[in-house]
Amino acid sequence: AQSVSQHNHHVILSEAASLELGCNYSYGGTVNLFWYVQYPGQHLQLLLKYFSGDPLVKGIKGFEAEFIKSKFSFNLRKPSVQWSDTAEYFCAVNEDPNNDMRFGAGTRLTVKP
Amino acid sequence: NAGVTQTPKFRVLKTGQSMTLLCAQDMNHEYMYWYRQDPGMGLRLIHYSVGEGTTAKGEVPDGYNVSRLKKQNFLLGLESAAPSQTSVYFCASSRQLAGFDEQYFGPGTRLTVT
Repeated sequence: AQSVSQHNHHVILSEAASLELGCNYSYGGTVNLFWYVQYPGQHLQLLLKYFSGDPLVKGIKGFEAEFIKSKFSFNLRKPSVQWSDTAEYFCAVNEDPNNDMRFGAGTRLTVKP
Repeated sequence: NAGVTQTPKFRVLKTGQSMTLLCAQDMNHEYMYWYRQDPGMGLRLIHYSVGEGTTAKGEVPDGYNVSRLKKQNFLLGLESAAPSQTSVYFCASSRQLAGFDEQYFGPGTRLTVT
């Protein structure tokens, strides 16, 4: 079974700093990629997804992610974080055409005002 | 729309006790899922359903049973709870299989087994 790695367990940034959260996976075939976010006290919700096409994907709230197939990576970025971005971020990867979706362990982001 | 709801929100069980977690969705989704979330391990799929009356095992199914008697409901049962089942349980639903579509999550149930 494939694995999904999020190497940063806890990231602490000041407001206006740039953000990059790493996500790497092990499957060598076609993948569908997701980033989900869980704000404090709220449900997990989809931030963005990539199935095909332009490897630079834009999501909600100014987030974007870049799929780099050669690096098996789908890193999440935001040029300038806000206090309201404090949340836990989960990367998820599915092997296409199989139905074997796996989540990473999550990265907790704390943004200091 | 309420989206995906879960009951109860919190529960404490003693080892060996049984309980059922209820998940309900009002989006007419075919697919429903039960995950558990443990520190440092992300979400792991327990069981899922591709439609009313059907269920399938996920990554960590042992110790759990599920039923999908109605399209809008997905029940997760623990017949004999163990401390290793202490976790936060999330239900989710989607229009298509999870790997091919957005999942909508419930608020979670925090279960402690002593």
